[in-house]
Amino acid sequence: QLQLQESGPGLVKPSETLSLTCTVSGGSISSSSYYWGWIRQPPGKGLEWIASIYYSGSTYYNPSLKSRITISVDTSKNQFSLKLSSVTAADTAVYYCARHNLPSNSYYMDVWGKGTTVTVSS
Amino acid sequence: DIQMTQSPSSLSASVGDRVTITCRASQSISSYLNWYQQKPGKAPKLLIYATSSLQSGVPSRFSASGSGTDFTLTISSLQPEDFATYFCQQSYSTLPTTFGQGTRLEIK
Repeated sequence: QLQLQESGPGLVKPSETLSLTCTVSGGSISSSSYYWGWIRQPPGKGLEWIASIYYSGSTYYNPSLKSRITISVDTSKNQFSLKLSSVTAADTAVYYCARHNLPSNSYYMDVWGKGTTVTVSS
Repeated sequence: DIQMTQSPSSLSASVGDRVTITCRASQSISSYLNWYQQKPGKAPKLLIYATSSLQSGVPSRFSASGSGTDFTLTISSLQPEDFATYFCQQSYSTLPTTFGQGTRLEIK
């Protein structure tokens, strides 16, 4: 059974870079059928898609965050990672990693990690 | 970006009730609409994709319909485990994707 697990610091200082990793187990990140994405949820709010990556390195970014985001994949470790620079309190959220099918019409996120809480505070 | 608006934002209902949640897109998204259920402290769970296709393992009391800009999720007979927050998501064309703000379903 495919499982995703987020990891990274729970506390980041303002203006610094948030770094998270998602480890995929029970399946290969190199599947030709899927992208791997990051979604976040500020406290008490809705879901915001951040970015997605294919095993080959092809990427999609949320335009509103694009200037601050780097997403990368390490197929040898079955992991993908997110870096978000120049963080502020507005970046405080639960960060989820998820799998979704190819981003043509009718894609959906069918496997999610449990989420990791990141707080931006000095 | 395509904006997704859900109504109501919150809803109180009783076990056994029939409940309908609405999601409206700011432009036509054909049938590219998904629904997720999220319980407190948990990750979202995919319920329905492509407007009306039930994800494997999801009970048949969940159904959904719609097209264009207007979509609905219906729970035919509420069970205690259904009290949660529900999100719609548009998957029209390529990324970016956007979610509705959520509908919180509470016990009356």
